[in-house]
Amino acid sequence: EAEVAQSPRYKITEKSQAVAFWCDPISGHATLYWYRQILGQGPELLVQFQDESVVDDSQLPKDRFSAERLKGVDSTLKIQPAELGDSAMYLCASSSPLAGPSYNEQFFGPGTRLTVL
Amino acid sequence: ELKVEQNPLFLSMQEGKNYTIYCNYSTTSDRLYWYRQDPGKSLESLFVLLSNGAVKQEGRLMASLDTKARLSTLHITAAVHDLSATYFCAVGPAGGTSYGKLTFGQGTILTVHP
Repeated sequence: EAEVAQSPRYKITEKSQAVAFWCDPISGHATLYWYRQILGQGPELLVQFQDESVVDDSQLPKDRFSAERLKGVDSTLKIQPAELGDSAMYLCASSSPLAGPSYNEQFFGPGTRLTVL
Repeated sequence: ELKVEQNPLFLSMQEGKNYTIYCNYSTTSDRLYWYRQDPGKSLESLFVLLSNGAVKQEGRLMASLDTKARLSTLHITAAVHDLSATYFCAVGPAGGTSYGKLTFGQGTILTVHP
């Protein structure tokens, strides 16, 4: 069964360091999302890509976060410099508008648990 | 701004009992999703509800959508321990370029005990 892949699964870093997360969506899914989930809360969208283009990054802290999806397939989310408040689960999801009865259903990867010390 | 509220936030149930989780949202939408999350794990899709009056059932879980009331329910029948998890509802906007963005509720932590 097709799945969204993410790496690393866990990352521990010190504040002010740079971190990067990678996501490979389900093959053929044009839309890719990065969400951040703080412990005890629901996920919040950071950035949404349609193919290689950003369609929504209104909640992305652009002074320290960046995201790219250069060839419209896999994607990288970077934080530089990391702050204590960035500790969270970072989830990648993908969807296809052509999903038919499950219209635009989003499928989530296993996530990257980030701890900033 | 779309707001999504779930209640209750914490639910402790006895095995064999029935209960309902409610999901209210603040603006028009015809797309609602239910997800399950186990501790430390990612989100598993449970139901996709795409129209007013939609009802879907899988095992002991049944979800419904009332777009006029801006309300979805997740009903649990004869709960078993394996249902213990956090349940999220998520709402998508009606149309527009951000058609894919989901706004999540706070989550309901369900614990089923003997």
